[in-house]
Amino acid sequence: KAGVTQTPRYLIKTRGQQVTLSCSPISGHRSVSWYQQTPGQGLQFLFEYFSETQRNKGNFPGRFSGRQFSNSRSEMNVSTLELGDSALYLCASSLRTGTSNTFGSGTRLTVV
Amino acid sequence: DAKTTQPTSMDCAEGRAANLPCNHSTISGNEYVYWYRQIHSQGPQYIIHGLKNNETNEMASLIITEDRKSSTLILPHATLRDTAVYYCTSYNNAGNMLTFGGGTRLMVKP
Repeated sequence: KAGVTQTPRYLIKTRGQQVTLSCSPISGHRSVSWYQQTPGQGLQFLFEYFSETQRNKGNFPGRFSGRQFSNSRSEMNVSTLELGDSALYLCASSLRTGTSNTFGSGTRLTVV
Repeated sequence: DAKTTQPTSMDCAEGRAANLPCNHSTISGNEYVYWYRQIHSQGPQYIIHGLKNNETNEMASLIITEDRKSSTLILPHATLRDTAVYYCTSYNNAGNMLTFGGGTRLMVKP
């Protein structure tokens, strides 16, 4: 079956712009989580959605937001981009709470 | 903060068993221990998970100590393709957030 699909794979944006990243989970998976990975901070949890509801949010500023649609697809948005937002953004889906996650290949965002 | 601690790096000879330790003395009694690995520039890949008993699947074996304060991931016959960063992790109480530490960078050498 198809895995978790993230688009785009690579993105270059300018400081101050905003960006939207997309994630299509595995069919039937209702939980979608987002993580940011940087060389300095490692893998950090951004937020988790289940049935269109955000159930948990990590320690990130309000510039980071997300949403989930009725078909479980999810988007995350970062507004007023900063250089420090350059990172690999990973999406993961799972069948239900507390079960193993399947990660996508990520979107590598570079802010210049 | 991560509830697990792992060595920063390990080497293993190709064909030999790779034993990756993890200390998780602060996880609660009903929290599963999960292992993932990440090959450079890819998303983490689920390997195995366990609660109290030892577990085995087609990828690896997981040995959990009786007091649940530590575990060991065993790759029985490491290959060059097993070179990756291995993360030992667990969920928060709500079961919807994984906390990752720095992981162990395993280098399998010919």
